[in-house]
Amino acid sequence: KQEVTQIPAALSVPEGENLVLNCSFTDSAIYNLQWFRQDPGKGLTSLLLIQSSQREQTSGRLNASLDKSSGRSTLYIAASQPGDSATYLCAVCGDTGFQKLVFGTGTRLLVSP
Amino acid sequence: EAQVTQNPRYLITVTGKKLTVTCSQNMNHEYMSWYRQDPGLGLRQIYYSMNVEVTDKGDVPEGYKVSRKEKRNFPLILESPSPNQTSLYFCASRIQGSTEAFFGQGTRLTVV
Repeated sequence: KQEVTQIPAALSVPEGENLVLNCSFTDSAIYNLQWFRQDPGKGLTSLLLIQSSQREQTSGRLNASLDKSSGRSTLYIAASQPGDSATYLCAVCGDTGFQKLVFGTGTRLLVSP
Repeated sequence: EAQVTQNPRYLITVTGKKLTVTCSQNMNHEYMSWYRQDPGLGLRQIYYSMNVEVTDKGDVPEGYKVSRKEKRNFPLILESPSPNQTSLYFCASRIQGSTEAFFGQGTRLTVV
């Protein structure tokens, strides 16, 4: 059974810092991994999707990497801003059936001015 | 605007009173699903639907029903809600052939 773990559970940084969020998964048989942002009352917003054949994806100040064999992904946020404050979730899609995403419990990020 | 819309956004109800949470998407997606989010447990899938009239159980289906009579709508039904169904619920959809999921804004349900 796939299990996804995110460390740390919470992170507080001053504005301008570069930071790394970690995601690990127990079953390497994945089709892709997706990073989401969750804001209170605003649902989940997809940030980056990495296919299992890819090593990384970039969008603006965000860079996500994937090491499928070791069961790890990282989300790198450059030059953090207060507007980046949110909960970040990673989710993996298994490589059979694509029926569901298995989510980690998230990292709650606070960027202070 | 492409979106997944859930209603209501917030609901407080009493044990045993049947309720329905609606989910509608305007992207012509075949695949829709429901998740619940609880502290320390993350999001867990309740039910999913591959297309009209095709539904199946996820990881935590007990106490829930769904139906898929139209492609755009996927309501979640709680026939007899209990306090352990107090949670934040999300509806999601994706197009067949893609695994990129789009989520609604969530419904916060409290059962007292």
